Amino acid sequence: AQSVAQPEDQVNVAEGNPLTVKCTYSVSGNPYLFWYVQYPNRGLQFLLKYITGDNLVKGSYGFEAEFNKSQTSFHLKKPSALVSDSALYFCAVRDMANAGKSTFGDGTTLTVKP
Amino acid sequence: NAGVTQTPKFRILKIGQSMTLQCTQDMNHNYMYWYRQDPGMGLKLIYYSVGAGITDKGEVPNGYNVSRSTTEDFPLRLELAAPSQTSVYFCASSNNVDRVGGYTFGSGTRLTVV
Repeated sequence: AQSVAQPEDQVNVAEGNPLTVKCTYSVSGNPYLFWYVQYPNRGLQFLLKYITGDNLVKGSYGFEAEFNKSQTSFHLKKPSALVSDSALYFCAVRDMANAGKSTFGDGTTLTVKP
Repeated sequence: NAGVTQTPKFRILKIGQSMTLQCTQDMNHNYMYWYRQDPGMGLKLIYYSVGAGITDKGEVPNGYNVSRSTTEDFPLRLELAAPSQTSVYFCASSNNVDRVGGYTFGSGTRLTVV
């Protein structure tokens, strides 16, 4: 069975500083990893994905994520945080051998303060 | 292009009542999913479908039913509402698993059972 862990419920950063939101995963085969963002009272929006290839993947709104196979991690990063980045972030792993079902982490609330 | 549309956005049910949460997508996606989101708990898969006429249970199917008579529509049925079904419900869709992409989510239905 696949699983995802987001060890931090809350991450606080100052505007302009770099941010990292952590994610670790457990899968039996090749990992297909995703990050989503959820703004208040909205559905989740796709940010970026890792399927294969370069360990650093770039996504929407200046976000990027680093895949580390040895540490089974897929941390979300941004070099310079904006107040508008404040939201709930979910890491997910997708089982492409089983109807593409996704397992989501419990989410991390990012707060960027001016 | 509307994407994934969910109705209603909000609903209050009394214990024992029934209702159907509607979900429709206009992207010709074969794969559709229903998740529920409880505070601090991430998203849990209720039911999923890999195409018209094919549905299967997810992680938390008890108390729910689905049907998929067309590619576009994937309604979720609650037969006897219970307080434990108070949650936010999200419908999502994706293209075939041989084209690995993220989910497209609807904006959600916030359901309260009293």
